Amino acid sequence: EVLLVESGGGLVQPGGSLRLSCAASGFTFSNSWMNWARQAPGKGLEWVANIKKDGTETHYIDSVKGRFTISRDNARNSLYLQMSSLRAEDTAVYYCVGGTGWLTRYWGQGTLVTVSS
Amino acid sequence: EIVLTQSPGTLSLSPGERATLSCRASQSVTSTYLAWYQLKPGLAPRLLIYDISSRATGIPDRFSGSGSGTDFSLIISRLEPEDFAVYYCQQYGSSPLTFGGGTKVEIK
Repeated sequence: EVLLVESGGGLVQPGGSLRLSCAASGFTFSNSWMNWARQAPGKGLEWVANIKKDGTETHYIDSVKGRFTISRDNARNSLYLQMSSLRAEDTAVYYCVGGTGWLTRYWGQGTLVTVSS
Repeated sequence: EIVLTQSPGTLSLSPGERATLSCRASQSVTSTYLAWYQLKPGLAPRLLIYDISSRATGIPDRFSGSGSGTDFSLIISRLEPEDFAVYYCQQYGSSPLTFGGGTKVEIK
C-alpha cells in the first residue's frame, strides 16, 4: 500500500519560514518524480513544485520561485519543502504527491500551513 | 503556461443520472498527458483517469475520459451517491503542471 505522510505544517507569521516533510512508503521512491501541491481554503488545487528522481532537476510555480525549495533524501524515502518569506496567500493544505513520470498518482492526506499574524 | 477551463462550475444531478464534465485547454496538451481527479472534504485527491482515457487502479467503469488536443471530457455514466464531489482536470505534460478550476457535482 502506498503511503505518503506529511508533517511540519502549522501557524507561522508573514515573512516567516517553515519546513514540510513527507515520509513515503509502498512504492519505489528513488525511481519517482515527487511533487508538492496545495489547496487554499475555498480554492482549487495548485501544483507547487516537483523534483527529479535523483534530485538534479526541479521545477516551481512562478509565485514560489526564490522562496520555496524542494529537496529529497532517497536514502530516507523522504521529500521536503523549505518555505521562506511566507505570505498570507501561501495559506493552504500542502500535499506530498508521487507518481509515474509527471503523473501525480499518489497523494498524501495533506498538512495545513497557516500564514497569519 | 497551459490554462485549463472547466465547465460547468456546478452540476446538479440525481443519483442514476449521467454527468458530463468539460475541460478546455488554452493550448494543445502535450501528448496525452491529461488527468482527472476527485476531491472530497477531508480526503486526499483521488486519481480517476490519466492519459486522457485510462482508468486508474480500482476506478469503476462508470467513469470514462475522452478528448484530444484542447477539449476533454469526463463522463460518469450513472451517478452513485459516493460520486457527488468536486472534479478537477490536470495537464502534466508541461511545466508548470496546471489544474482546472473544478466542477462540483451536487445532488439535485
